[in-house]
Amino acid sequence: DQQVKQNSPSLSVQEGRISILNCDYTNSMFDYFLWYKKYPAEGPTFLISISSIKDKNEDGRFTVFLNKSAKHLSLHIVPSQPGDSAVYFCAASGRQGGSEKLVFGKGTKLTVNP
Amino acid sequence: DGGITQSPKYLFRKEGQNVTLSCEQNLNHDAMYWYRQDPGQGLRLIYYSQIVNDFQKGDIAEGYSVSREKKESFPLTVTSAQKNPTAFYLCASSIISRGTEAFFGQGTRLTVV
Repeated sequence: DQQVKQNSPSLSVQEGRISILNCDYTNSMFDYFLWYKKYPAEGPTFLISISSIKDKNEDGRFTVFLNKSAKHLSLHIVPSQPGDSAVYFCAASGRQGGSEKLVFGKGTKLTVNP
Repeated sequence: DGGITQSPKYLFRKEGQNVTLSCEQNLNHDAMYWYRQDPGQGLRLIYYSQIVNDFQKGDIAEGYSVSREKKESFPLTVTSAQKNPTAFYLCASSIISRGTEAFFGQGTRLTVV
């Protein structure tokens, strides 16, 4: 049972336009959400996060929106740049069975075309 | 420099052999995680540990074992019971405080032939 879902395996956008990556979760115990960026054969690097008490967090070109009632979050990148081309993973964390668990989605491969 | 180190980067083993992947961190993090990445599958949690001498199974723990004898180290053993061991393995660590980000190592590509 997949608790964190990224339903779009890939996304292609033009340089300068907005990229919107979506993520849905099913488990109500998740209360912190993170986005990671990953290049091939490397470990993921942290991009931006949001707590469940907020509905928006912004950091430069990156903004994450959280709709808690819909159990949905999205990452907006604007303007998109060719260097943003990577796989983006959505992750959720929360306490389960007395332990803090970090669960990832399957990722969305973003391609930004020059 | 603080960080999390996985070694080796590439590992080849014969089918039926156990193999241990190393993960070391000097970030003073309490929590450590092992994930496996397969094409189209994202990152799947194998095991995680929040304190020395304690660890919990993740979603795909079968065929794997771990130990946490030291805070800095969380080695993963891929046993012969793991049916499809060839994959990219990622180790991560984080502090226990709620909502903190996890830092990842560079990964180990294991190929079983």
